[in-house]
Amino acid sequence: GQQLNQSPQSMFIQEGEDVSMNCTSSSIFNTWLWYKQDPGEGPVLLIALYKAGELTSNGRLTAQFGITRKDSFLNISASIPSDVGIYFCAGQGGSGGSNYKLTFGKGTLLTVNP
Amino acid sequence: NAGVTQTPKFRVLKTGQSMTLLCAQDMNHEYMYWYRQDPGMGLRLIHYSVGEGTTAKGEVPDGYNVSRLKKQNFLLGLESAAPSQTSVYFCASPSPRFVYGYTFGSGTRLTVV
Repeated sequence: GQQLNQSPQSMFIQEGEDVSMNCTSSSIFNTWLWYKQDPGEGPVLLIALYKAGELTSNGRLTAQFGITRKDSFLNISASIPSDVGIYFCAGQGGSGGSNYKLTFGKGTLLTVNP
Repeated sequence: NAGVTQTPKFRVLKTGQSMTLLCAQDMNHEYMYWYRQDPGMGLRLIHYSVGEGTTAKGEVPDGYNVSRLKKQNFLLGLESAAPSQTSVYFCASPSPRFVYGYTFGSGTRLTVV
């Protein structure tokens, strides 16, 4: 099936640092979504992006829908210990998929050292 | 609260045993999905359903069966469990809050010995 390339695979940072991660694809998507998964829990939707170039924030998190529609970026500012978890990107629609069927990246494991 | 509920949360099976995982959603959506999550592999789609009485195969359907007899429930069955099916299983359904986004259940951790 379709694949999203998510990077980095893992990050180990100090509390207070900013974090950046991204997803790229060879296919165009209509929607980009970012999820966070806490240890032992299911993924929770953080941000949804519906338009190329769109920049959306949710607290200390900011995500952008790439102009080419083939990529998306997530930034976390001033990280705190509770930011620890796995962050997934997902794409919907366009040439990369279909309505209501998402394509997921493999995740970025974030560790925050207090 | 709108959401997706999975049972059980944990299970240990012996090779060859069978079991059924239950997923229930109260968001009244037509679509439901079963994923498995393995280290380094991300989320892989097993089966999905686009409405009551319908099911379709995802990326990794072998060894699993599903049923959607009622709109709110989606069952995942393992007829003869194998150690390769040791994984964390997630059910999902589209979120009422974000168009095209999913709400996930809290997962079932299955170990096959």
